[in-house]
Order: sequence, then structure tokens, then C-alpha cells
Amino acid sequence: GQNIDQPTEMTATEGAIVQINCTYQTSGFNGLFWYQQHAGEAPTFLSYNVLDGLEEKGRFSSFLSRSKGYSYLLLKELQMKDSASYLCAVRDSNYQLIWGAGTKLIIKP
Amino acid sequence: GAVVSQHPSRVICKSGTSVKIECRSLDFQATTMFWYRQFPKQSLMLMATSNEGSKATYEQGVEKDKFLINHASLTLSTLTVTSAHPEDSSFYICSARGLGGWEQFFGPGTRLTVL
Repeated sequence: GQNIDQPTEMTATEGAIVQINCTYQTSGFNGLFWYQQHAGEAPTFLSYNVLDGLEEKGRFSSFLSRSKGYSYLLLKELQMKDSASYLCAVRDSNYQLIWGAGTKLIIKP
Repeated sequence: GAVVSQHPSRVICKSGTSVKIECRSLDFQATTMFWYRQFPKQSLMLMATSNEGSKATYEQGVEKDKFLINHASLTLSTLTVTSAHPEDSSFYICSARGLGGWEQFFGPGTRLTVL
């Protein structure tokens, strides 16, 4: 079966750095996505990795290792507004998005 | 990025009634639209995928006669929840992808509450 694993919940301090991990086992791989979802709202796109390595976009970076079936989302200089759920999704061989359950990130002052 | 709208944003209905949710791509042609359902504290669950002018492909366990999907144009897809029951109360989200595109653009979601 297909599986995406990420921690259920993480807590970090305002101004700090946090890394959210995602491991996946899917039938085929055509890219990995990270989305941010605030409570009661739809997901918003953060990043897309299809090749190994680090993609940096402002305070957010995403890393991918296809051989390890592993990705992480790195958030720097945390702000209170970063409190949200972060969803990891992998596009499989059928170009379907397989979603993780999401990591709820709690930012404390 | 591209904009996808959903209407209504919230709906409350009585058990046994039908509810229609619209999903529109505002500034691009959505050849493929996806309908998701999300229960509280759970991840997105894909219900069905629809290509413009074709019948929707439903995921296993999703009743196609209960969740009617129409994708009649390149900018509009509708989801009709027929004979809704309280267990259908959920957050319904659509997303759209253009021809040859790799990114899905999400609508803002519709909160359905069935009394």
C-alpha cells in the first residue's frame, strides 16, 4: 500500500527553527509537495521537490532524498502566524496526490 | 498563482436534502478537478477526479450516486451531495489543474453541516 508518515504534532518557539519530517512509500514518484493549512481553511502551496536536494524559498526550505523516501520542511525565524498544519503529499505513478495526515505546528511566544 | 473559488463557503441543511457545491477556476482552464473531503483533525481524502466533459472517477468507498460530480466546462465543476445525512457533515475542498500543469490549486473549501 501507499503510505505517508509525518509527526502528528510539534511545538516550537517564536523566532526559532523547526524541521518537519516526512517519509513516504508510494507506487512510483512524480514529485513531493508541502502545503500549509490553517484551521478551517484550504491548503496553500509551499514547495515542490522532484529532484534530490534542497529547495529554498524565503523562510521555508524543503529537502528531498528519493533513495531514502524522505523529505523535510524547514521553517526558520518562526512567527506566530506559522501556527498551522503542514501537509506532505506525494504524486504517485498515476499522478495522484497521496496525502499525509499533516503535522500540527504550535508556535509559542 | 491561479485562483479557484468555491460557493458556498458554508451551508447548513436538514437531513434528507441535497446540497450543491460549485468550484470555479477564475483565471485558467481547469482540465482536471479534484474533490476532497476532510473530517476534523484528519488529512484530505480524495473523493473523485473529474476531467472536463468526462465522467468522474471515484475513489474506492465513495458512492457515486450520492456524490454527483459534473464537470461540464473548463471553468466549473459541481459536487452535489444527495440526501445528505449528519455523517456527511465535513469540509469539502476542490482543487483544479490546468492542461499540462503540475500544480493543483485549491479552492477555499465549503463547510457542510447536516442537521
